[in-house]
Order: sequence, then structure tokens, then C-alpha cells
Amino acid sequence: GQNIDQPTEMTATEGAIVQINCTYQTSGFNGLFWYQQHAGEAPTFLSYNVLDGLEEKGRFSSFLSRSKGYSYLLLKELQMKDSASYLCAAMDSNYQLIWGAGTKLIIKP
Amino acid sequence: GAVVSQHPSWVICKSGTSVKIECRSLDFQATTMFWYRQFPKQSLMLMATSNEGSKATYEQGVEKDKFLINHASLTLSTLTVTSAHPEDSSFYICSARAVAGVLETQYFGPGTRLLVL
Repeated sequence: GQNIDQPTEMTATEGAIVQINCTYQTSGFNGLFWYQQHAGEAPTFLSYNVLDGLEEKGRFSSFLSRSKGYSYLLLKELQMKDSASYLCAAMDSNYQLIWGAGTKLIIKP
Repeated sequence: GAVVSQHPSWVICKSGTSVKIECRSLDFQATTMFWYRQFPKQSLMLMATSNEGSKATYEQGVEKDKFLINHASLTLSTLTVTSAHPEDSSFYICSARAVAGVLETQYFGPGTRLLVL
């Protein structure tokens, strides 16, 4: 079956770095997505990886290892506004997104 | 990035009434749109995939006669919750598939909160 695993909740300190891991199993693979969702709002697109390696975008970076079925989202210089849920989603061979349950990130001052 | 709008953002209705939610892609054409539902503190649940000019594909357990989907144009999909009941109260979010070169992703609308009394 198809499955996405990510931690339910993480806590980090303002100004620090946090890494949110995601493992996936899908029928075929057409890329790995990360979305940010603040409470009460719809998700917003953060990043997309389809090749192995690290993609950096400002304070956020995303990494993919296709052979391991593994990705992580790295957030640097954490700010209070980064408190949100982070959703990992893998696109299968039918171009459908398979969603993880999300990781709630709590930032403490 | 691509912009997707949803209307209305909030709906409060009486049990037994029908509610229509619109999803529009504002600056791109979307041959495929998706409808999700999210209950408090739970993950997104895909309800159906809406393809322009054809019937929607519903996920297992989603009643197609209760959740009517119409994708009449490349920029508009509608979800109608027929005979809504309190258990249908949820956050309904649409997304539109956008393709730019090799990147294919989904952009989400802001969501519609439905409260059925």
C-alpha cells in the first residue's frame, strides 16, 4: 500500500534549526512535496524534490533520497511565525498526491 | 505562485439545506482540481478529483450523490453538499493542479468552513 510517515509533533526554540523527517512508500514516484499549514488556514506550497539531493530556498531546505524513500525539511533561524503544521506529500505514478498526517511544529521563545 | 480562490469562506446553514462551494484558478487553467475535507486536528482527506468536462472521481467512502462536483470550465469547479447534516461540518479545501515545465504541483484555495446546525 501507499504510506507516508512523519512525526506528529516537534518542538524547537526560536533562532534554532529543526529537521522534519518524512518516509514514503508509493506506487511509482513523481516527486516529494512539502506544504506549510497554519492553524485554520489552507496549506501553502513550500518545496518540491524529484531528484536526489538538497534544494535550498532561503531559510527552508528540502532533501530527498529516492533509494531510501526519505525526505526532510530543514528550517533554519526559526521564527515564531514558523509555528505551523508541515505536510509531506509524495506524488505517485498517477500524479496523485499521497499525504502524510502532518507534523505540528511548536516554536518556543 | 499560482492563485486559487474559494467562495464562500464561511457558511452556516440549517440541517437539510444544500450548500455550494466554488473553487477558481485565477491566473492559470486547471484541467484537474481536487476537493479535500479536513476535520479539526486531522490530516487532509481527499474527497474527489474533478476533471474538466468529465465526471469526478470519488474516493472510497465518499457519497457522490451527496457531494456533487461540477468542473464546468478550466478555471472553475464547484462542490455542492446536498442535504447537509451536522456531521458534514468541516473545513473544505480545493486545490488546482498546475504544471510549469517539469514541475507539477497543487495550489490550494483558502478553504471554506462549513457549519451545519
